[in-house]
Amino acid sequence: DGGITQSPKYLFRKEGQNVTLSCEQNLNHDAMYWYRQDPGQGLRLIYYSQIVNDFQKGDIAEGYSVSREKKESFPLTVTSAQKNPTAFYLCASSRTQDGWITEAFFGQGTRLTVV
Amino acid sequence: AQKVTQAQTEISVVEKEDVTLDCVYETRDTTYYLFWYKQPPSGELVFLIRRNSFDEQNEISGRYSWNFQKSTSSFNFTITASQVVDSAVYFCALFNAGGTSYGKLTFGQGTILTVHP
Repeated sequence: DGGITQSPKYLFRKEGQNVTLSCEQNLNHDAMYWYRQDPGQGLRLIYYSQIVNDFQKGDIAEGYSVSREKKESFPLTVTSAQKNPTAFYLCASSRTQDGWITEAFFGQGTRLTVV
Repeated sequence: AQKVTQAQTEISVVEKEDVTLDCVYETRDTTYYLFWYKQPPSGELVFLIRRNSFDEQNEISGRYSWNFQKSTSSFNFTITASQVVDSAVYFCALFNAGGTSYGKLTFGQGTILTVHP
């Protein structure tokens, strides 16, 4: 089945450690996104990428890094510079069809807890 | 800069009441898309509707309807005769399809809707 896979579902890390969240899609979508969700703050955009080997900072990119070496993969690294990394992270993808932008499809999310 | 504002943080209604969720957006671009998503307690995001900036037609889908007004930069969502299963967090989102921020998909803060039996 086509879809977006985020792994793992739950992740625990010690403070000061970098951690990489995985996001893989087999929908052949060009665009991919990373969001952070905190209670009462909605979905905040961390990074987005419209094509392979290109990505842009979103609204809260500080303390995060990404790569887009393959169309189907968009891993997010939460670095030790991120002051408050504990959150629910969502990955999404979308495509252009006949010149129109389609809706974004979301993964199931990764809940990161830093202790 | 682009921004999406959902002024209502929480709404509580009794079943069968109608409820409207407000969404106001800001963008400098003339080409953009607007979306509504639902996030039930299970956490996954469910797509509800997409509208592009050139199509101001309102839409009705069953008990759901959407009112898009470019003059007021609003894209409001109404649920008619609400049901308990409508309880969820609802998000409005803006996709920038032009300019230097092409491809940026911005979400609002979300509105928590609780429908009581």
